[in-house]
Amino acid sequence: AQSVSQHNHHVILSEAASLELGCNYSYGGTVNLFWYVQYPGQHLQLLLKYFSGDPLVKGIKGFEAEFIKSKFSFNLRKPSVQWSDTAEYFCAVILSGGYNKLIFGAGTRLAVHP
Amino acid sequence: DGGITQSPKYLFRKEGQNVTLSCEQNLNHDAMYWYRQDPGQGLRLIYYSQIVNDFQKGDIAEGYSVSREKKESFPLTVTSAQKNPTAFYLCASSTEDRATYQETQYFGPGTRLLVL
Repeated sequence: AQSVSQHNHHVILSEAASLELGCNYSYGGTVNLFWYVQYPGQHLQLLLKYFSGDPLVKGIKGFEAEFIKSKFSFNLRKPSVQWSDTAEYFCAVILSGGYNKLIFGAGTRLAVHP
Repeated sequence: DGGITQSPKYLFRKEGQNVTLSCEQNLNHDAMYWYRQDPGQGLRLIYYSQIVNDFQKGDIAEGYSVSREKKESFPLTVTSAQKNPTAFYLCASSTEDRATYQETQYFGPGTRLLVL
């Protein structure tokens, strides 16, 4: 069965540290890739998405992600985190050829300390 | 003010009781979805609807039912047959990107259901 793996369940960083959250998926065909963020008490929001083209995608709030097809990965990065980045981050994929079903990873809880 | 609204924010259910969660969108999106979020498990798809008067089961549809009588509304009923209904329920709708013809889903604020 197709799945999405987020290897870091909890990450704790100090402000200004660099962030990289891993995301791997298991599917050999074409995928659309997404990162969503859920701030405490808020909606699940779209952070960035990749459909095709440049594998380095820039999103909101200084986040970016790189699609590496050979590694089935779509890791999220930010060069310098802020306290306000404290949230839960979800990687998700849509597989080609089917309906628009989002397959989510289990999520990564990020805590940024001032 | 455009968006996806879900009500209520918190819902308490007694054992053996059916409850209905509301989801409304004024974004003119064709497709709508219901997900269930449990701690440490991400989100799982319950039902989805790509058009009015049509809907399909997702991965965990047992114990749930939906209707799609209007484009803007997609209510979810949690029936007494759902063995473990306590969870956070998220509704989403999607629109097609005009340049790429790919869908992007946007989420409502969620309803937290607690079984007493």
